[in-house]
Formats: sequence, structure tokens, C-alpha cells
Amino acid sequence: EAEVAQSPRYKITEKSQAVAFWCDPISGHATLYWYRQILGQGPELLVQFQDESVVDDSQLPKDRFSAERLKGVDSTLKIQPAELGDSAMYLCASTRGQGESGYTFGSGTRLTVV
Amino acid sequence: SQKIEQNSEALNIQEGKTATLTCNYTNYSPAYLQWYRQDPGRGPVFLLLIRENEKEKRKERLKVTFDTTLKQSLFHITASQPADSATYLCALDMNGGSQGNLIFGKGTKLSVKP
Repeated sequence: EAEVAQSPRYKITEKSQAVAFWCDPISGHATLYWYRQILGQGPELLVQFQDESVVDDSQLPKDRFSAERLKGVDSTLKIQPAELGDSAMYLCASTRGQGESGYTFGSGTRLTVV
Repeated sequence: SQKIEQNSEALNIQEGKTATLTCNYTNYSPAYLQWYRQDPGRGPVFLLLIRENEKEKRKERLKVTFDTTLKQSLFHITASQPADSATYLCALDMNGGSQGNLIFGKGTKLSVKP
């Protein structure tokens, strides 16, 4: 069964350092999402891509976060500089965009900022 | 803005019983309402999707209902098993299709005791 690949699985970084996460969606899925999930909360959308274009980045803290999907396939989410409050699970998801099949999520990257 | 309430943070039931989880929302009805299962340290896994013009949907031991008048969805697991223990997330897709994105509730943690 096809999966959304994310790496790294875990990341510990010091505050003020830069950190990057990578996501490879399911082949053929045009829509890619990055979500952030704080422990005990539901995932919250950071950015949505349709192919290589950003559809929605209204919740992305653009002073420190950036995201790209240059060739419309894999994607990178970067935080610079990291803050203590950024500690969370960062989830990538993809979908064909036709609704019925739901979203396929990766296993996420657990970020701890110390 | 849209708010979602999953009004039980935790639900404990006995094996073999039916688990019923509730999802309430404010404001406008979504195009789709989705339910996901999330195990600790993993990404959410899609279970079921129901459209705004559908009353009920079933998949094996799972049943979802959608009442746009009450602005509520119920998620049922019949003949529950300890393996069903997980957090269940309700998610609203306001637009549907490739331009939509999901708004998640906080989830309900289900524990099924043998």
C-alpha cells in the first residue's frame, strides 16, 4: 500500500537553530498539506500546495517558517529560527483532491526544541 | 470561524459494547465530514467520509451519521475490541475537492477494556 514518506522521524534541536522536514507524497497526489499537531490537540493546517503552487498559507508563521514544493512532488518545511513553542508533531498529508478517499498522512516528524 | 467540539476527551467501554463518539460543529455545514483514527506517535488514518446530503454511512463495524440540522456527526464502533483503542478525530472539509482542507477536532481517546 502506498505511503506518504516523512523524514526525519524525530528531531531535537536547540532554540534559534534551523530545522527542516521532508515529505514525499503518494505518487500522483497533486495536493499536499503540512499540518502541526500539539500534544492533546487536533492537527492544524500550516500550508496547502496544489502541484507546486501554494493554495493556502494563511496559518503559516512566515517570519520563521517556509515551505516549498519546487517540482510539484516532494516538499520541504523549514523553521528558522526554532522556538520552544515549535515543539510538536509535524504531519504531511496528500490527496488526489477528489474528496472521497480522504487524506493519507505520513507518520510525522516529532520536533523537540530545547 | 468554524469550531469543532468532540465532547468527550476520553471514553472507556467494555469489549463487545458499541462505542459512540460525538462531533459537533458551529456555523456552516461542511461539504464533507471525515473521521480518522490516530495511534500514539503516528499520523491519522482515514476511516470514513460522509457528504452533507448523506444521513448515514457504514463500513464493516463502523457507522457514521450526519445531521446538518443538529450540526452533529455520530461515529459508532459496534462489537468493540481492545484493538479499537485509539484517538478518533473528526474533521470538516468545508469546500471539498482539491481546494479544500481539513479542520480537525481535538479527538476522543477511546479505551476498550477486555
